[in-house]
Amino acid sequence: GENVEQHPSTLSVQEGDSAVIKCTYSDSASNYFPWYKQELGKRPQLIIDIRSNVGEKKDQRIAVTLNKTAKHFSLHITETQPEDSAVYFCAARPNFGNEKLTFGTGTRLTIIP
Amino acid sequence: GAGVSQTPSNKVTEKGKYVELRCDPISGHTALYWYRQSLGQGPEFLIYFQGTGAADDSGLPNDRFFAVRPEGSVSTLKIQRTERGDSAVYLCASSLDRGAEQYFGPGTRLTVT
Repeated sequence: GENVEQHPSTLSVQEGDSAVIKCTYSDSASNYFPWYKQELGKRPQLIIDIRSNVGEKKDQRIAVTLNKTAKHFSLHITETQPEDSAVYFCAARPNFGNEKLTFGTGTRLTIIP
Repeated sequence: GAGVSQTPSNKVTEKGKYVELRCDPISGHTALYWYRQSLGQGPEFLIYFQGTGAADDSGLPNDRFFAVRPEGSVSTLKIQRTERGDSAVYLCASSLDRGAEQYFGPGTRLTVT
């Protein structure tokens, strides 16, 4: 089955700087890669996702890049703000018809004011 | 509109007891998922429903776990003879259809004493 590795496990950046979180996956059939943000005690919130037919997607300060050849994808947050502090999870899903998401182990992002 | 809701938000039970956890998906969403999240980990897939039927139950850890969705909307996750290792946050998610984005509920924190 799919295996998703995520790093770093913790990341601290100064407010206004950029943050990058990286994930690798094992199943070359995976074609959908969402990112979730989870604040303490709250539900995971979908913040951005990318499908395998594109290499990059951007939504305001958040962008995701995908390299299918290398089987890795990354989350980029620019101009970080204190409210970006949370745990971020990447996930991968195989082909249409197999709906389960396999999650990474999470990155705790702390924005230092 | 209303998001995914789950009840109860917290459940404390004694080892060996039976528990039921409820999920109300977003109205109109045909797909429903259960995940389990242990402290410091990403969600782990348990089961996926498309309509009333369990399309994939490969993540259920053993036969003490069972889930139903009799009318294709509300779902109940049932755990028999609970064990301390079952303690976790049980998350429900729904999506408009197969292949669509998954939106999570706030979870039920289950503690088995």
